[in-house]
Amino acid sequence: DAGVTQSPTHLIKTRGQQVTLRCSPKSGHDTVSWYQQALGQGPQFIFQYYEEEERQRGNFPDRFSGHQFPNYSSELNVNALLLGDSALYLCASSLPERTQYFGPGTRLLVL
Amino acid sequence: GENVEQHPSTLSVQEGDSAVIKCTYSDSASNYFPWYKQELGKGPQLIIDIRSNVGEKKDQRIAVTLNKTAKHFSLHITETQPEDSAVYFCAATPNSGYSTLTFGKGTMLLVSP
Repeated sequence: DAGVTQSPTHLIKTRGQQVTLRCSPKSGHDTVSWYQQALGQGPQFIFQYYEEEERQRGNFPDRFSGHQFPNYSSELNVNALLLGDSALYLCASSLPERTQYFGPGTRLLVL
Repeated sequence: GENVEQHPSTLSVQEGDSAVIKCTYSDSASNYFPWYKQELGKGPQLIIDIRSNVGEKKDQRIAVTLNKTAKHFSLHITETQPEDSAVYFCAATPNSGYSTLTFGKGTMLLVSP
């Protein structure tokens, strides 16, 4: 049974560019949450998707947007990249109100 | 919103010793407290969790205790092994119905042979 998968594993962008990160949830899970983890810090909640709708959002600007597809996979988009967006982006999947399981993350470096 | 404080930030022990990591939370509505282990280059892996209707939970060498009155919870690892070396995160989630996690800043545990 495949766990949560994310692509790509690493990404390098320059300031002002746009990036799209992808996540496939664990089999049977329908809820996807995205987190940003800066170096040496704990993950910070960005937003959560369920039934293709954004259910809850953390304290992140509108440059961060997402989407969930009918097969429950999800994308995270970040526009107008800033140096401070460099981080590990984690996707977690779950059933509603249940334990979250994390993927390996996508390491984004903004130059 | 919820705020989770975690201590210590680093912890060094000898193989076979016990390790204790402590967390406090601010939102009295929080009712679910997972612990994650993150190894270098990997995503967080759930190792144990506890809900607010339980005071203690144990799984082999790992145990978690919860004191709702004081709003703190702790991770206990006994008989530590070198493979326990990693960063450990505590988290809390309020009874908001959406299960979003607020994490502590992490504890780097180093177990020396």
